[in-house]
Amino acid sequence: DAGVIQSPRHEVTEMGQEVTLRCKPISGHDYLFWYRQTMMRGLELLIYFNNNVPIDDSGMPEDRFSAKMPNASFSTLKIQPSEPRDSAVYFCASTDSFNQPQHFGDGTRLSIL
Amino acid sequence: GQQVMQIPQYQHVQEGEDFTTYCNSSTTLSNIQWYKQRPGGHPVFLIQLVKSGEVKKQKRLTFQFGEAKKNSSLHITATQTTDVGTYFCAGPLILTGGGNKLTFGTGTQLKVEL
Repeated sequence: DAGVIQSPRHEVTEMGQEVTLRCKPISGHDYLFWYRQTMMRGLELLIYFNNNVPIDDSGMPEDRFSAKMPNASFSTLKIQPSEPRDSAVYFCASTDSFNQPQHFGDGTRLSIL
Repeated sequence: GQQVMQIPQYQHVQEGEDFTTYCNSSTTLSNIQWYKQRPGGHPVFLIQLVKSGEVKKQKRLTFQFGEAKKNSSLHITATQTTDVGTYFCAGPLILTGGGNKLTFGTGTQLKVEL
């Protein structure tokens, strides 16, 4: 079975540009999570969806960040405008039941110059 | 605020030595999960503990859930270079206003030297 698929794997862009990260969860998983990982702050939950509906976005750092899930097989995380402090690894994860083990994608390594 | 803390933050061992990481929550957890993240990789689920005092083993790894369900430990016997990585615990913490969400601990980074 295919796992969680994220794209791109790496992204390098200049500050001020829009960045879009993509995620395809495991088929049948009703929950999708977006995380950000940095050395300083560890693994932070940004937002999660249940049945395509955003449930908790309290971890989204500011209005420059937005996330959507238009259907059960696709989600995006956008940063506009991007800033150097947004540089991090962004993970998407999915699970079939809340608070049950999560399956992570390979992540997107984002560098904002 | 409610947190999940892990100690130590880093551990450097010689191959063959044992290793233990401890996870502590400020509140009672309904379950505790452990994940391993290899350098450059993504977190991978290892195991879930649900019952008070539960102990589970996976080959050289022993996982324990505390009697009060507020702490947990992961012990690796006779470490190998393949054990290198960061080990995270995660538990559902209650949110202000109701509900809960899975919260990851701060992680313990393990390095194994030959």
